[in-house]
Amino acid sequence: AQSVTQPDIHITVSEGASLELRCNYSYGATPYLFWYVQSPGQGLQLLLKYFSGDTLVQGIKGFEAEFKRSQSSFNLRKPSVHWSDAAEYFCAVGAKNNAGNMLTFGGGTRLMVKP
Amino acid sequence: NAGVMQNPRHLVRRRGQEARLRCSPMKGHSHVYWYRQLPEEGLKFMVYLQKENIIDESGMPKERFSAEFPKEGPSILRIQQVVRGDSAAYFCASSRQGKSQETQYFGPGTRLLVL
Repeated sequence: AQSVTQPDIHITVSEGASLELRCNYSYGATPYLFWYVQSPGQGLQLLLKYFSGDTLVQGIKGFEAEFKRSQSSFNLRKPSVHWSDAAEYFCAVGAKNNAGNMLTFGGGTRLMVKP
Repeated sequence: NAGVMQNPRHLVRRRGQEARLRCSPMKGHSHVYWYRQLPEEGLKFMVYLQKENIIDESGMPKERFSAEFPKEGPSILRIQQVVRGDSAAYFCASSRQGKSQETQYFGPGTRLLVL
């Protein structure tokens, strides 16, 4: 069964600083990988996804993520954080050929942005 | 271009009552997924449905929980005889074809509070 670990429960960065949110997954083959963002009291919005091909994926709002097979990681990055990026971020894995099509989510990382 | 709609957004029930959560998928989407988010946790898959069919209910508690997605109308997640441990945010997502590489679009969630 697949699993996702987000080692950092909380991260605080200063506005304008760079950001990296960690995500490690466990799956027997190359999975489908997603990053979602959740603002307080809201649903989840897709930031980016990886299926195959180029291991560096560009998403919305200036985010990118890099798939590293050797490290089973899919870390999310942003070069310069804005105050509006404060939210909770979830990494998720979807398994290929999974009849259930379910996503398995990590526990989330709550990002706080200092002015 | 309406997204996934869920209602009610907030629901308060006393122990032993029934809770009915509704989800209308995006236009053109016929695949619906329900996830539960317990406080301070990530989302956990509950059930995956197509019109008139339950495809995967491996994440559903064995008792008191049921889901349906009728030919006409929204998908319903029903919780009978609610207990305090059912307090959570319940999210619905939809996709067009149910393929594992497709993006699942999430609704704003229903926050259930059991008193």
